[in-house]
Amino acid sequence: EDQVTQSPEALRLQEGESSSLNCSYTVSGLRGLFWYRQDPGKGPEFLFTLYSAGEEKEKERLKATLTKKESFLHITAPKPEDSATYLCAVQADSGGGADGLTFGKGTHLIIQP
Amino acid sequence: NAGVTQTPKFQVLKTGQSMTLQCAQDMNHEYMSWYRQDPGMGLRLIHYSVGAGITDQGEVPNGYNVSRSTTEDFPLRLLSAAPSQTSVYFCASSPSPGTVGYTFGSGTRLTVV
Repeated sequence: EDQVTQSPEALRLQEGESSSLNCSYTVSGLRGLFWYRQDPGKGPEFLFTLYSAGEEKEKERLKATLTKKESFLHITAPKPEDSATYLCAVQADSGGGADGLTFGKGTHLIIQP
Repeated sequence: NAGVTQTPKFQVLKTGQSMTLQCAQDMNHEYMSWYRQDPGMGLRLIHYSVGAGITDQGEVPNGYNVSRSTTEDFPLRLLSAAPSQTSVYFCASSPSPGTVGYTFGSGTRLTVV
């Protein structure tokens, strides 16, 4: 069974204080690992897809990395508008990708001014 | 470009009532899916479709029905609502499941009393 565990559950940072969110996964063949951002009352917003160990992707203050067992979302010099819940999900190689994503429970990030 | 549109945004049902949650996308995506999001749990897949006329069950399909008569629309039907179906429901679409990030709708918050 595919599993995704995110840590910490919640994180409070001061503006400008860099940190990392962790996503550990167990999957029978990884097709892709996805990071999403979710604001209160809204649907998840796509951030990154990572496909193989060693891959990195960046977008503004966010950088996602991938190993064979986990992914990190690094947040550099965050601003209050980066406050959100960050979701990690994996797509297994089986089912041709159609059988959906397995999501973690998310990390609730608060950036204080 | 509206993306994925879900209606209604909020709904209260009595136990035993039936209703349909609407989902429409204007991006010509072949793949569409329905997830539910509950507190303390990750998003869980209910049903999905890889194209018009083709649907399949996800992780938690019981009590729900779907059909896909057009590429654009993918309605979710609750046959006889139960309190356990109180949740936030998200519709998502993708041109290529598992390799391209999904676009999510803004969700329907359903309460069954």
